[in-house]
This record gives sequence, structure tokens and C-alpha cells, in this order.
Amino acid sequence: AQSVTQPDIHITVSEGASLELRCNYSYGATPYLFWYVQSPGQGLQLLLKYFSGDTLVQGIKGFEAEFKRSQSSFNLRKPSVHWSDAAEYFCAHNSGNTPLVFGKGTRLSVIA
Amino acid sequence: GAVVSQHPSWVICKSGTSVKIECRSLDFQATTMFWYRQFPKQSLMLMATSNEGSKATYEQGVEKDKFLINHASLTLSTLTVTSAHPEDSSFYICSATAVTNTGELFFGEGSRLTVL
Repeated sequence: AQSVTQPDIHITVSEGASLELRCNYSYGATPYLFWYVQSPGQGLQLLLKYFSGDTLVQGIKGFEAEFKRSQSSFNLRKPSVHWSDAAEYFCAHNSGNTPLVFGKGTRLSVIA
Repeated sequence: GAVVSQHPSWVICKSGTSVKIECRSLDFQATTMFWYRQFPKQSLMLMATSNEGSKATYEQGVEKDKFLINHASLTLSTLTVTSAHPEDSSFYICSATAVTNTGELFFGEGSRLTVL
């Protein structure tokens, strides 16, 4: 079965520091990969997505992610975190017109 | 980008009553809509997949008689929680794929249900 693993439940970084959130997927073919952010009590906002082509994708709010087939990973990065980035981050994948399979999420806290 | 709207965004009801949540694709036609449920501090769990004009497909463990899903048009799907109980309190989120099917799902803002 398809699955998404986010190994880190909670990460705390200092404002201005760099960030990397890990995501691993299990799927035979090349999946469609997504990163979403969710603020408390809010819906999901798409940060970026990978379907094919360049393995380094740029998203909104200064985020980027790199698809590495050899590692089955799609880690999310940001060079300098802002306090407003504190939220829950979900990695997800599907194979086209199928439901998204979500990871359990990583909660990001930002300290001054 | 494509917009999916859910209504209501927040609802409180008494135990035993039924609640209907609407999910609309505002600027595109959605062949398939997915309903997710999210408990506090947890991830999204798929409840069911609904295709326009056909019966919804429910995930294992989801009671189809309790969570009625109707997808009568290409722009509207509804989730009705029947005879709601406090354990049904949750955050319900719908998502939709477009007829053009780019592979991307577009999410509604979510509906928070609290059953007293």
C-alpha cells in the first residue's frame, strides 16, 4: 500500500535559521508529491508540488523541495524561517486521479 | 488557482441531529471529490471518494449510513452526518480534482463540527 512517512513529529528552529522537513514515500512508480501547510483551525494550503521534470521545485513563501528517487524522498526546505512559518506541515502523494495519502505531519515551532 | 469552498466552516449541533456540509468547486468542474476527516493534532484520514452521478466509495471502517455523501453535480458534493454524536466532532475537509485532471487536488477550507 502507498504510504508517506514524516519521521519528525515536532521540530523547533530559531527564526532566521534554515529548515528541512523530511518526507519519504513508498510507491513503485513516480508519484505525484505535495507539501501542504496547515495553521491551527484552518484548511490546507498547497506549498508546492512535483509531477515530473526538474527534481527541485520552488513553492510559495520561499519554500522548495527536492525529489530524490534513489532515496524515495521529497524533503521540504527553507533557507531562513520566519515566525509566521510556525504551523503543521503535511507531505502527501497520489498517482493521478486518486486520493492523496498524507503523512502524519510535522509541527514546526519557531523561537526568537 | 482552482477554488473549493466548504460551508459551513463551523457548526455546533445537539447530539442526535443531522448536519449537512457542502463542498463546492467554484471555478472548475470536479469529477471526483474526496472527503477527509481530521482529529485534533492528527493527520487527514480519507473517508470516502465520490464521483459525480454515482455512489460514493467508502474507506474501511467508515459507516456509509452515518456519513451520507451525495455528488449530484460536477460542482457540488455534500456530506451529511446523520444522528451525530460527540465522537463525530471533528474537522471535515473536502478536496476535488478537476475534469482536466492535472493530478492536483484542491482543498476546501474545512468544516469544524462540534456535537454537544
